[in-house]
Amino acid sequence: GAVVSQHPSRVICKSGTSVKIECRSLDFQATTMFWYRQFPKQSLMLMATSNEGSKATYEQGVEKDKFLINHASLTLSTLTVTSAHPEDSSFYICSAREASKAQNSPLHFGNGTRLTVT
Amino acid sequence: GNSVTQMEGPVTLSEEAFLTINCTYTATGYPSLFWYVQYPGEGLQLLLKATKADDKGSNKGFEATYRKETTSFHLEKGSVQVSDSAVYFCALSEGETSGSRLTFGEGTQLTVNP
Repeated sequence: GAVVSQHPSRVICKSGTSVKIECRSLDFQATTMFWYRQFPKQSLMLMATSNEGSKATYEQGVEKDKFLINHASLTLSTLTVTSAHPEDSSFYICSAREASKAQNSPLHFGNGTRLTVT
Repeated sequence: GNSVTQMEGPVTLSEEAFLTINCTYTATGYPSLFWYVQYPGEGLQLLLKATKADDKGSNKGFEATYRKETTSFHLEKGSVQVSDSAVYFCALSEGETSGSRLTFGEGTQLTVNP
């Protein structure tokens, strides 16, 4: 079946540094990928929609200059948390839909990245 | 705005017990409703879905019925197995059946003991 690989699974970084998270569709092409964030004991929240070859669409309240999204190919989207701060510590998950499938086909999720900013 | 409220976990059951995980939602329109499951060390997987009122989604012995009158989509299984241990997420998507713009509940951790 379709697999989405997310890397790294865990990362610890110091405050002020930047962290890049990769989301790859391993055996399918994805024109659209989605990035979610989950704070402890809270819901998964959609952060942004990543579109191959164009700018990402951010949800209200998400700083686009802080969470840089690049979707340079049909199999890779990256989320870079710039100048990370402890409040950015969270669980980040990406998802993707096969480009060849219908709009109502299910999304495929990565395993998530646990980011801890010290 | 949209929101999803799930039964607070964790839930611990013995094998073959009956499972219910409650889920209620708030939406301005007519959402599609989903249950996703995350097994340890894996990504979220779609478990079942329902796209309109009174629809019943089912998969792997799990069922959930879209109840518009009570704005609920409770997950049930008649006899759980140890392999059902996972985190379960209720979610909704409004305005389309694609489920791309999902609003999730907090997730409910289920542990099934032998």
